[in-house]
Amino acid sequence: QKEVEQNSGPLSVPEGAIASLNCTYSDRGSQSFFWYRQYSGKSPELIMFIYSNGDKEDGRFTAQLNKASQYVSLLIRDSQPSDSATYLCAVNVNNDMRFGAGTRLTVKP
Amino acid sequence: DAGVTQSPTHLIKTRGQQVTLRCSPISGHKSVSWYQQVLGQGPQFIFQYYEKEERGRGNFPDRFSARQFPNYSSELNVNALLLGDSALYLCASSLENSGLRALHFGNGTRLTVT
Repeated sequence: QKEVEQNSGPLSVPEGAIASLNCTYSDRGSQSFFWYRQYSGKSPELIMFIYSNGDKEDGRFTAQLNKASQYVSLLIRDSQPSDSATYLCAVNVNNDMRFGAGTRLTVKP
Repeated sequence: DAGVTQSPTHLIKTRGQQVTLRCSPISGHKSVSWYQQVLGQGPQFIFQYYEKEERGRGNFPDRFSARQFPNYSSELNVNALLLGDSALYLCASSLENSGLRALHFGNGTRLTVT
């Protein structure tokens, strides 16, 4: 079982819709969870992090964490074409950051 | 403030050669991590250094080595290059060493092994 698993996509949503990205992790001891956005040919950039169960909102982005289910998600409201990118879920495992393979999101105008 | 800087941006090497990649962290950041990203995959953890000491190592062969200098900059060395080492090598810095730290990535070094 991979440490961090994501659906590779591609996920396609129309402009203005909600995009939902999901991630599961295997290490129950993981305490911190991150979402990074990576545009094609660029390096990952941090969008959000979450440490506690529940929801955390930042503008159009909401991260959701359920430690019992070992599940973390990212919701993007009012999706824009500029949100088209690969979204990487990262989990801190024994003080090392482990990444999923990423979900490719396309927002169609 | 300057972000994480990496050099060179692109590199072409031949199988069997050795390569050194360089990274300067964000000012004030004491932790540097190295990642390898193959096309279509997420970054794979190689090393983490904090205060000049190795604090973590991923599942990479001994051909990969790294070090951190007193000014917190870092080098990643890869010996006896294989075709499979062709990838984007990312350096990331963070303020601290805790599990809560967020990584700030440089633009990467694109290594091609022929």
